[in-house]
Amino acid sequence: EPEVTQTPSHQVTQMGQEVILRCVPISNHLYFYWYRQILGQKVEFLVSFYNNEISEKSEIFDDQFSVERPDGSNFTLKIRSTKLEDSAMYFCASSSGTVYEQYFGPGTRLTVT
Amino acid sequence: KNEVEQSPQNLTAQEGEFITINCSYSVGISALHWLQQHPGGGIVSLFMLSSGKKKHGRLIATINIQEKHSSLHITASHPRDSAVYICAINFGNEKLTFGTGTRLTIIP
Repeated sequence: EPEVTQTPSHQVTQMGQEVILRCVPISNHLYFYWYRQILGQKVEFLVSFYNNEISEKSEIFDDQFSVERPDGSNFTLKIRSTKLEDSAMYFCASSSGTVYEQYFGPGTRLTVT
Repeated sequence: KNEVEQSPQNLTAQEGEFITINCSYSVGISALHWLQQHPGGGIVSLFMLSSGKKKHGRLIATINIQEKHSSLHITASHPRDSAVYICAINFGNEKLTFGTGTRLTIIP
């Protein structure tokens, strides 16, 4: 069964460093999402991406964040200069767009020290 | 405001008990999802509903559009059902808005 994959599973970085989180969505899907979950809190929407551009973003998704689909298979989330409060689990999801069902990746746990 | 309310926050039950987790919302929706999150953190989709009822094994999900309420039921609960169950909603667009989750613990 096709699945969404994410790498790395865990990333530790120092404050101020750039990180890139990678996702490979399901191959025929057209809509891509990033969500995050700070430890002990609910999952929050960051950004949605369709047709090679951002379709919606939350207040959290400020200028420090960017997304890219560099090669037609990967979908990346870049955080330019990480802060302690960026420590969270980051989930990628994809959808075919014909129904609302989304498929989630296993998540990347980002720890900023 | 598009908010998702779940109850209870925590639920502990004995193996074999019938479990009900509730989700309510205040405005019209396109679809409601029940998700399962295990201690490792991964999220698995259990159901997507826009009306009526769905069943998969021991899990049943119902939605009442008029009352803006959904329930997730687990019959004959088992310790392996222990997880966080999350209600998430599409409020007329593609992104999901999540509830805070219900932490379920089933004691053998």
